[in-house]
Amino acid sequence: GEDVEQSLFLSVREGDSSVINCTYTDSSSTYLYWYKQEPGAGLQLLTYIFSNMDMKQDQRLTVLLNKKDKHLSLRIADTQTGDSAIYFCAESLNSGNTPLVFGKGTRLSVIA
Amino acid sequence: NAGVTQTPKFRVLKTGQSMTLLCAQDMNHEYMYWYRQDPGMGLRLIHYSVGEGTTAKGEVPDGYNVSRLKKQNFLLGLESAAPSQTSVYFCASSSGPPNEKLFFGSGTQLSVL
Repeated sequence: GEDVEQSLFLSVREGDSSVINCTYTDSSSTYLYWYKQEPGAGLQLLTYIFSNMDMKQDQRLTVLLNKKDKHLSLRIADTQTGDSAIYFCAESLNSGNTPLVFGKGTRLSVIA
Repeated sequence: NAGVTQTPKFRVLKTGQSMTLLCAQDMNHEYMYWYRQDPGMGLRLIHYSVGEGTTAKGEVPDGYNVSRLKKQNFLLGLESAAPSQTSVYFCASSSGPPNEKLFFGSGTQLSVL
């Protein structure tokens, strides 16, 4: 069945780069997403990548997709305390109305 | 531009009581979802709807019912609340595949005593 795996915790120092990793199982995934959840709030879409792309960059965010290994990563450059949040990876299956499959989320803690 | 609005934001119930959580979206989205979030469990899909008048079961549907009588509203009902239903509930909506960008509400914290 479909499954999206993420490590649960990551701690980095302010100013360093953060890399959050995700593995997924469905090779037919069309889009892959990163959502951010700040404390006490709902999830917000951070960025997404179409499955025919290898990389997408958006300001401090870089998404890398390795389809062969079914591996997705989110790199945050110059990590700030405001980046402290839970980051969820999600995949959109290529099967019509099937809802997104979410990972359990990675809690990023930024140390000043 | 409200987006996705959930009411109420907080609620405390006694075991056996019933309640309805309301989700409203103003983006004309076809698809709507109800999730629950528990520590260490991530997001789990309860029920979803792919259009007005339709509903479908998600990963953890037992103990919940839903209705989508109007396109903009998606209601989640608990007929007889149990302590295991203590959780944070999130509603989301999207325009549907292929690019399912979900918009989430701010959540409802429910405690069942």
